[in-house]
Amino acid sequence: KQEVTQIPAALSVPEGENLVLNCSFTDSAIYNLQWFRQDPGKGLTSLLLIQSSQREQTSGRLNASLDKSSGRSTLYIAASQPGDSATYLCAVRGGYALNFGKGTSLLVTP
Amino acid sequence: SQTIHQWPATLVQPVGSPLSLECTVEGTSNPNLYWYRQAAGRGLQLLFYSVGIGQISSEVPQNLSASRPQDRQFILSSKKLLLSDSGFYLCAWSGQGANYGYTFGSGTRLTVV
Repeated sequence: KQEVTQIPAALSVPEGENLVLNCSFTDSAIYNLQWFRQDPGKGLTSLLLIQSSQREQTSGRLNASLDKSSGRSTLYIAASQPGDSATYLCAVRGGYALNFGKGTSLLVTP
Repeated sequence: SQTIHQWPATLVQPVGSPLSLECTVEGTSNPNLYWYRQAAGRGLQLLFYSVGIGQISSEVPQNLSASRPQDRQFILSSKKLLLSDSGFYLCAWSGQGANYGYTFGSGTRLTVV
């Protein structure tokens, strides 16, 4: 059974800092990995999708990397802003189902 | 462009009452459809998925059922709600094929009292 772990569980940083969120998974037989953002009480917003054959994807200030063989992914956020405050979820797809980590709760203070 | 609609946004129901949550997708055909639940302090759990009309797969034995009466409509139901059914229910869709990502709806907050 696929297990997805996200570290840290919570993170507080001052505005402007660059930061890294970590995701690890136990079964490297995945089709893709997706990073989501969830604001309190809201649905999930997709940030980046990395296929198993890819090493990284970038969107604006976000960069996600994937090392499938070691079962790791990182989400890099450059020049953080208070509007980045949210929970960030990592999910891996091995079949029909997405297996989620429990998320990293990020607070960016002004 | 594709959009996913989910309603209602919030729902408070007494124990033992029935439940019907609806999800529809626009702008695509023959999507894979999914129901997830997010309970307080826990991760997201896949409840049901469907790869076509009338085709439902259940991931977790529970008090809930799902139906797909039309290509882009997915319904989550219960005949008698339990307190443990409380949570945040999310509908999602993906294209056919393993390389597609998921798109989630805005969710329904269900409180069973």
